[in-house]
Amino acid sequence: DGGITQSPKYLFRKEGQNVTLSCEQNLNHDAMYWYRQDPGQGLRLIYYSQIVNDFQKGDIAEGYSVSREKKESFPLTVTSAQKNPTAFYLCASRLLSGANVLTFGAGSRLTVL
Amino acid sequence: ILNVEQSPQSLHVQEGDSTNFTCSFPSSNFYALHWYRWETAKSPEALFVMTLNGDEKKKGRISATLNTKEGYSYLYIKGSQPEDSATYLCASNRDDKIIFGKGTRLHILP
Repeated sequence: DGGITQSPKYLFRKEGQNVTLSCEQNLNHDAMYWYRQDPGQGLRLIYYSQIVNDFQKGDIAEGYSVSREKKESFPLTVTSAQKNPTAFYLCASRLLSGANVLTFGAGSRLTVL
Repeated sequence: ILNVEQSPQSLHVQEGDSTNFTCSFPSSNFYALHWYRWETAKSPEALFVMTLNGDEKKKGRISATLNTKEGYSYLYIKGSQPEDSATYLCASNRDDKIIFGKGTRLHILP
C-alpha cells in the first residue's frame, strides 16, 4: 500500500543532543513538508521541498535542518539550537501538478528530557 | 489578514443538529484552500481542496464554500453524528507554502 512512513513514533532526547526524524513516502509525490504541532496550536510549517536537492524554510525553521537527496525521503534533524523541541511532528507529501491535498504520516512525538 | 484564522476554536453540537465554522485566509497570492479532518490518534485526512471563487464542494453530509475575494471559507456539517467529532483544519496554499489555521475542535453531544 502506498503511504508515508514516519519513524520513530516516540523519541526521547537529552538536552543538547541532535535527533533525526525519518519520513519516507512511496506515493511518487513531488513535494514533502514538515509540520510541528503544540497543544493549542495548529500545524506550523518547518520546512518544505518541492524537488530533490532543494528545500525552503517555513515559518519556524530555526533550530531545524532537512535534506532531500531522494524523492522518497525528507528527514528532519532537530538540533540542539531548537529552544523548545518537545512537540508532535508531522510529515506530509503531495503531487504538485494542480491543486492537490496533503497526505500525512502518522507523526513522531519528540520529548526532550 | 496575514494568517489563516479559524473560528470558533471549539464547538459543542447536539447529535442531529447542523453546524458550520469559518476559515479566513489572505486573499492575495491565493492558489487553493484545503480542509482536513483530524481525529484523535489518527493522521489528518483531506476533505476538500478548492481553488475558484464561488466553489462549493460536498462529501456526504459535509460541504464547503469558498470566497477568494474576501478571503473566507465555510465548512458545513448537516445532521451531526458522533463520528464527526474531530478537529477540522483549514489550510491556505499560497506562494508555494501550505499554512494551517489552529483548527476548530468539534464535540458531538449524544
